[in-house]
Amino acid sequence: DVKVTQSSRYLVKRTGEKVFLECVQDMDHENMFWYRQDPGLGLRLIYFSYDVKMKEKGDIPEGYSVSREKKERFSLILESASTNQTSMYLCASSFPDAGELFFGEGSRLTVL
Amino acid sequence: DQQVKQNSPSLSVQEGRISILNCDYTNSMFDYFLWYKKYPAEGPTFLISISSIKDKNEDGRFTVFLNKSAKHLSLHIVPSQPGDSAVYFCAAREIQGAQKLVFGQGTRLTINP
Repeated sequence: DVKVTQSSRYLVKRTGEKVFLECVQDMDHENMFWYRQDPGLGLRLIYFSYDVKMKEKGDIPEGYSVSREKKERFSLILESASTNQTSMYLCASSFPDAGELFFGEGSRLTVL
Repeated sequence: DQQVKQNSPSLSVQEGRISILNCDYTNSMFDYFLWYKKYPAEGPTFLISISSIKDKNEDGRFTVFLNKSAKHLSLHIVPSQPGDSAVYFCAAREIQGAQKLVFGQGTRLTINP
């Protein structure tokens, strides 16, 4: 059974803290993605990666960075968390040229 | 600039009736369209898709229709069941370039017993 695992389901952080969100997939997918979901805005792409050590900016990369040192792992980093980064963060993966993305269960981050 | 739009934030349907969820897009380069279903506190799960070379795809109770000239697609669920209550996202992918999906804002479907 395919699996995308996000390390933390719920996090509460303070403004200015550094935040790491980890994502691991066991499907040997080349592509990995980070989206955030906000009410009324749907899912918006933050960053994605086609291969190890490769990264591409999505639609809303400001305030975020990513790391992909291994094929199965894609990390999202908030260098200095702000209250407007309070959101549901969703990791996904896929094969190249595949239409379907497989999503993790999400990480709900609250920044106080 | 919202390239994929779901203009109905919510929809309420009686159990057993047909649910119709709509989606519009603006980018002519989209060649593949998907619907995802999302329950609270869970990740989205793939429901059904359609390629731009087709105008209809059916899978059990779910049918997706694509009208390329109108840049419009719709998801039909019939008959609707209480377990269908969820948020539904429409998504689209471009023919070339990045393999990312662009999502709509979502429609919350509530099936009433």
